[in-house]
Amino acid sequence: EAGVTQSPTHLIKTRGQQVTLRCSPISGHTSVYWYQQALGLGLQFLLWYDEGEERNRGNFPPRFSGRQFPNYSSELNVNALELEDSALYLCASSLADSYEQYFGPGTRLTVT
Amino acid sequence: QKEVEQDPGPLSVPEGAIVSLNCTYSNSAFQYFMWYRQYSRKGPELLMYTYSSGNKEDGRFTAQVDKSSKYISLFIRDSQPSDSATYLCAMSPLTGANSKLTFGKGITLSVRP
Repeated sequence: EAGVTQSPTHLIKTRGQQVTLRCSPISGHTSVYWYQQALGLGLQFLLWYDEGEERNRGNFPPRFSGRQFPNYSSELNVNALELEDSALYLCASSLADSYEQYFGPGTRLTVT
Repeated sequence: QKEVEQDPGPLSVPEGAIVSLNCTYSNSAFQYFMWYRQYSRKGPELLMYTYSSGNKEDGRFTAQVDKSSKYISLFIRDSQPSDSATYLCAMSPLTGANSKLTFGKGITLSVRP
């Protein structure tokens, strides 16, 4: 069974630009979560989508947004990139109402 | 005070040692407790999960939860070099409406051959 996949693997952007990260959940999983793992800060919860709806949001500014498609895949968009946005962005998926989240390999974003 | 505190490490042990990894938390709403293992440049993988207080064993790994002390532990017996990774504790409240994990910062473990 294929795991959670994310694309791209690495990304380099300039401050002020916009970026879109993509995630495909494990087949059968309807919930998708996004996390930011910045150096020294640990894993920080960003967004949770379930059945196409945003269910919860972490303490991040509105320039972090996303959506979930009918096939349960998801995008994370970050506008007006700042240097502090440099991090590993992790996507996880789970079955509905399950606390077992399975993570993808992440997208490493570098903002220069 | 952060919701979840984890010993920062790093931790280095000889092969075969018993390893104890710990986290404390402040939010009494947490009911589900997990340990994730993250190898370098990879996403975290779920290692163990427990609900409420008690012990759970899986091979060389034992997860322990003490809700009265707001303290969780992961024990690794007969540690192997392949156990070298970053270990993150994670917690979640019972209600599905707040289905997000709160993580500790992680501790990097190195098992020396």
